[in-house]
Amino acid sequence: EIVLTQSPATLSLSPGERATLSCRASHSVRTSLAWYQQKPGQAPRLLIYDASKRATGIPARFSGSGSGTDFTLTISSLEPEDFAVYYCQQRTIWLTFGGGTKVEIK
Amino acid sequence: EVQLVQSGAEVKKPGESLEISCQVSGDIFTNYWIGWVRQTPGKGLEWMGIVYPDDSDTRYSPSFQGQVTISVDKSISTAYLQWRSLKASDTAMYYCAKTITAEGYNWFDPWGQGTLVTVSS
Repeated sequence: EIVLTQSPATLSLSPGERATLSCRASHSVRTSLAWYQQKPGQAPRLLIYDASKRATGIPARFSGSGSGTDFTLTISSLEPEDFAVYYCQQRTIWLTFGGGTKVEIK
Repeated sequence: EVQLVQSGAEVKKPGESLEISCQVSGDIFTNYWIGWVRQTPGKGLEWMGIVYPDDSDTRYSPSFQGQVTISVDKSISTAYLQWRSLKASDTAMYYCAKTITAEGYNWFDPWGQGTLVTVSS
C-alpha cells in the first residue's frame, strides 16, 4: 500500500494569502496524484488530477505540481470559500488518500 | 449535469444486514466506474472498491475484501454497497463517486451526497 502523508495538518491563513499544501508518498506515484477539497457537510470535490491538471470548473488560483513522491497544491490567493479540508489521492497501487490538511481562517 | 444521488441515513444494530444505493443520472451509466469511499473521523477517507456497470467487473480494496459486496443494476443506473452482518466499526459516512474516465483505478468526480450509517446496539 502507498501511504500519503499530508502536511501541515492545519494551515491558518488570511483571505488573500497564498496557501501551500504538501503531500508526500511512501513510494513513487509518478504523476498519478489528485487533490480534493471538502467543505463541512459536503462531499469531496476534485480539484487537480494527474498532479497538475485542473478539473472542470476549478478556478485558476488552484494549481498542482510535483512528481515521484513530493507534491504541492498551491492556492495563489485565498478566497473566503477556499477555507476547507484538502486531501490528496494516488492511484498507482490501489487507491489511497492522505489524512488531509485543514485550511482555516487566521 | 451528472448527479449521483444516494439513499438516506440508516441506523442499524450489530449483526443486521444493510444495502445502500447510489443512482446516477445525466450520463451513460455503463461508461465509467463507480467507486465507494468510507469516511470516518479516525481513519479519514478510505477507498472500498469500484465496479464497472457494463459488465459488473468489481475490484475491492484489500481492507474491505470479504467485508462488503458491491453490485449494480444497469436497468436503473444504480450501484449498491451491501453488508451481511454490520459491526459498530462500520459506523461512518459512505460516498459513491464516478471515475472521470473509463479507467478503473482513477480519480473520482462527481461524488454522491453521502449516506450516514450508524451501527449501535
